[in-house]
Amino acid sequence: GESVGLHLPTLSVQEGDNSIINCAYSNSASDYFIWYKQESGKGPQFIIDIRSNMDKRQGQRVTVLLNKTVKHLSLQIAATQPGDSAVYFCAEKMIRGGSNYKLTFGKGTLLTVNP
Amino acid sequence: GAVVSQHPSWVICKSGTSVKIECRSLDFQATTMFWYRQFPKQSLMLMATSNEGSKATYEQGVEKDKFLINHASLTLSTLTVTSAHPEDSSFYICSAGGTAGSSNQPQHFGDGTRLSIL
Repeated sequence: GESVGLHLPTLSVQEGDNSIINCAYSNSASDYFIWYKQESGKGPQFIIDIRSNMDKRQGQRVTVLLNKTVKHLSLQIAATQPGDSAVYFCAEKMIRGGSNYKLTFGKGTLLTVNP
Repeated sequence: GAVVSQHPSWVICKSGTSVKIECRSLDFQATTMFWYRQFPKQSLMLMATSNEGSKATYEQGVEKDKFLINHASLTLSTLTVTSAHPEDSSFYICSAGGTAGSSNQPQHFGDGTRLSIL
């Protein structure tokens, strides 16, 4: 089902440390996953995506890991910087029939980077 | 990269007013756009899928007569909150891009519209 967070999980790290943000998704048939970063008062910004035929994908300072067995997704941020402070959402693509689909978002995690 | 522009960024109006929010894809054509609503410290909830040239598809519990969607061109979708009331106050966000079916591309989001109804 859909995840709607009433209390936003938080993660606080020191500048320079690595961050790991976790997400559990709901549908074993989902074939595409995306991580978004949302800063206060702005729309979500694309970070990285991964298809279900992969278990790891790397970008610049970010890595996404996908474990389909337990329906778990994680985002790793290397050498976290103050500018990384934001809310991070995972999203899964759910097919609705034919060419129709929707993105379902996770609860979100508030990352705070302390200088 | 793909850019989605949303306007206005914020609006304050009296109860009973209708408010129109525009969502434009600036450098690509979007046959499908999505409208989300977000309450403070919560996730994005899909309201409706806007389809160019056809009727929008609304999520369960979203009143289609309350939230009118028009997708008249491949670069513009509008959401009109009709006869808005204080409980309609929220952050409304649109997205475009992404490809249905087997080809996967990320949706790109506008910067949202903060709607405050007095």
